[in-house]
This record gives sequence, C-alpha cells and structure tokens, in this order.
Amino acid sequence: ETGVTQSPTHLIKTRGQQVTLRCSSQSGHNTVSWYQQALGQGPQFIFQYYREEENGRGNFPPRFSGLQFPNYSSELNVNALELDDSALYLCASSLEPTNTEAFFGQGTRLTVV
Amino acid sequence: TQLLEQSPQFLSIQEGENLTVYCNSSSVFSSLQWYRQEPGEGPVLLVTVVTGGEVKKLKRLTFQFGDARKDSSLHITAAQPGDTGLYLCAGARSYQLTFGKGTKLSVIP
Repeated sequence: ETGVTQSPTHLIKTRGQQVTLRCSSQSGHNTVSWYQQALGQGPQFIFQYYREEENGRGNFPPRFSGLQFPNYSSELNVNALELDDSALYLCASSLEPTNTEAFFGQGTRLTVV
Repeated sequence: TQLLEQSPQFLSIQEGENLTVYCNSSSVFSSLQWYRQEPGEGPVLLVTVVTGGEVKKLKRLTFQFGDARKDSSLHITAAQPGDTGLYLCAGARSYQLTFGKGTKLSVIP
C-alpha cells in the first residue's frame, strides 16, 4: 500500500456534467500528478501540482483543472464531461517535482454516459 | 503519438517459464521506470534505472537500461502465477512520466 488514497473509487456521470475527484498524498510528499488511463492504454499525464501551483501540464484541454491544498491533498476537476473522458483517473505523489518515482493511488473509475 | 512502444502486448505462459518484455523509444529519457498494475489498482513502482547499460535485479526480475538510454527490458525467471499483471514502462523527462501501453502477462499454474 502506497499511502496515496483517492475518492471516490467509482463514479457515473452524465455527458455535460462536472466532476471533482480527490487525492490524499503520501505523508512527506509535496508533489502530486494526475494521470488518465483509458481502457487498454497506459496512463497519460494530465498535470502536476507543487506548492499549490500547477507545475506542468500534458496535452489536455482547459476543462481539466486542478487544485492542491496546503496539506498537499489535491483535486482534479473536469467540466463539460464527454463520453471519451470515461477512464481510470490516477493520482500519484512524489517527494519533489524532479523526483519522478511516483506512488500511485488505486484510482477513480469514471464512467460518462 | 506513443513515444514508448512495449512488446509484446499480451503474453500467456506456463508457470516456471522465463520471459522477456521490451520497452523501446526513439527518445532519450533521464531515467526509466517499470511498474506493475493489477486490475482495479494503481501502478506499483518496481524499479528505476538511470545509467545507460545499467542492470538491476529484484529477486527473479532483471531490468536492463539500454546504453543509449532509449530502451529497456524486463526479464522474469521461473514465472509464477503471482507475476500476473500489466507491466508498464515509463520514461522520465523533467517532471513528466511518459508511459507505454503495457504488456499484459498471464502466468498459468
């Protein structure tokens, strides 16, 4: 067990709705990254947060946004959900931004109908 | 564009057999990591290789980083049913990990 926890574990939303996913980092880790894993694919980097600021972003549209809180927990928000947003969303924490050894949570399975 | 190609995509073998999976890229990475992921779970880090030509062993698993730091292999000796899972390689560049699609391994008792 990595100590990274995500909630909820499963979620069903309707196209056009908004969703918020939550992540609690491993103790001592100040950096959190979010990944999207579609069925049969490897995880794809969405963005990274460090000291409550977005530190880097992958090829995802602005309707994917995030927050990091002073206790290093984090949220991923997705607006105007599309069917293709259905995926496993993974949160990963690490000691610092340049240390890419990531400890993943169990993920949130999002289904958009 | 998939920067990391993993092969084979699927592998089904009998308990006790040896196997090798490959991770190839045209890009250079500062380090390369291997993860194992089980259904409904997040990936779990197995190893990080940093230096070109580096070899690391983790019990029955042997990981190698190519001399040019573009490719890697994972060799499992005497596979066991507990080795079943999705093996992912990930290249690290700055703050970002780029993952391959993975090799889905099934070890049949």
